[in-house]
Amino acid sequence: AQSVSQHNHHVILSEAASLELGCNYSYGGTVNLFWYVQYPGQHLQLLLKYFSGDPLVKGIKGFEAEFIKSKFSFNLRKPSVQWSDTAEYFCAVTITGGGNKLTFGTGTQLKVEL
Amino acid sequence: EAQVTQNPRYLITVTGKKLTVTCSQNMNHEYMSWYRQDPGLGLRQIYYSMNVEVTDKGDVPEGYKVSRKEKRNFPLILESPSPNQTSLYFCASSLDRSTTGELFFGEGSRLTVL
Repeated sequence: AQSVSQHNHHVILSEAASLELGCNYSYGGTVNLFWYVQYPGQHLQLLLKYFSGDPLVKGIKGFEAEFIKSKFSFNLRKPSVQWSDTAEYFCAVTITGGGNKLTFGTGTQLKVEL
Repeated sequence: EAQVTQNPRYLITVTGKKLTVTCSQNMNHEYMSWYRQDPGLGLRQIYYSMNVEVTDKGDVPEGYKVSRKEKRNFPLILESPSPNQTSLYFCASSLDRSTTGELFFGEGSRLTVL
């Protein structure tokens, strides 16, 4: 079964700092990868997704993620964070042809300070 | 407006008192799913449904039941709630089985079992 690891549980940054959140998955076959964001008190929203093609994926609000197959990673990046990016970020994976079950990581709580 | 609606949003109940959390989507989605979110554990899938009358267990189905009599509705039933079911519950839907990673989430239902 697939699993997803997010090693950074809590991250605190100052505004304008660069962000990189780690995500690693365990599965040797073809995967689809996702990042979701949950703003305080709100439901999860899809931030970006990767199915195939260009391993650098751009999402909403200036976020991007890079799929590195050799490292089983899909790290989320943003060059300059804003206070409004304070949220919890979840990496998730589905296996192509594996029932398409979406498995989430445990999340990374990001706090951006003014 | 496309949305997934859950009710109730907040509920405090006592051990053993049966309760139902309703979920309805207005997007004609085939796939629906229930997750629970607990601190440090991320989101874990309880049950999912590929279509009407088709339901299946997720990772943590014990103590829960679901039904899918209509395409738009996917209620979560706790026949005899226990304190370890205190959690934040999310209903989600996607277009069909090929898009199970692209979920639309409801606002969440915070359940406390005393």
